[in-house]
Amino acid sequence: EIVLTQSPATLSLSPGERATLSCRASQSVSSYLAWYQQKPGQAPRLLIYDASNRATGIPARFSGSGSGTDFTLTISSLEPEDFAVYYCQQRSNWPPRTFGPGTKVDIK
Amino acid sequence: EVQLLESGGGLVQPGGSLRLSCAASGFTFSSYAMSWVRQAPGKGLEWVSAISGSGGSTYYADSVKGRFTISRDNAKNSLYLQIDSLRAEDTAVYYCAKAFTMVRGAPPDYFDYWGQGTLVTVSS
Repeated sequence: EIVLTQSPATLSLSPGERATLSCRASQSVSSYLAWYQQKPGQAPRLLIYDASNRATGIPARFSGSGSGTDFTLTISSLEPEDFAVYYCQQRSNWPPRTFGPGTKVDIK
Repeated sequence: EVQLLESGGGLVQPGGSLRLSCAASGFTFSSYAMSWVRQAPGKGLEWVSAISGSGGSTYYADSVKGRFTISRDNAKNSLYLQIDSLRAEDTAVYYCAKAFTMVRGAPPDYFDYWGQGTLVTVSS
């Protein structure tokens, strides 16, 4: 089973700042990694798939990069609605599909 | 518009059973693998089970194998999860989720649509 770790656990930033979130896999997942956003009381929302492709309707301020074992989600300029928890998920190994533990982006 | 609507959650005693349902609309249900993903209170996401579009292939996380049974009725556009021998650690919100990519017979890759979730609480 591929284990995903995310850092930092919490990121405290102000609106307008740049957010950089990391996801590391225990073995290579090639580019088969996605990012999700989850707000309190809501279901997760797919943001990025295959490491760098934005899902339908996702604003351009969200970007993903990386391959192999190291991946990054960047939010170029935080909007108030971006404060949430972000999860990475791999599709390289099956079963299972695994998620990272999440990074909470909160308001500084 | 894609919609997924779960139901069937509730409070159940340890060792009990529940059947969760997910009603799907807005897409060709039989063309997509579907999954159940759960989230314990205050915790992260855990993939639980998946089923191919035809229903011919099913998959389970080791933590639920032998206790959970996933199924689907493509004529009714519905997904199900039969949960038996419930344990306290099964307490979670259970989401049904649609596979992002339509690939015949393939397991789900990512999850592009999720329901609102149904809460299962296991407690005496």
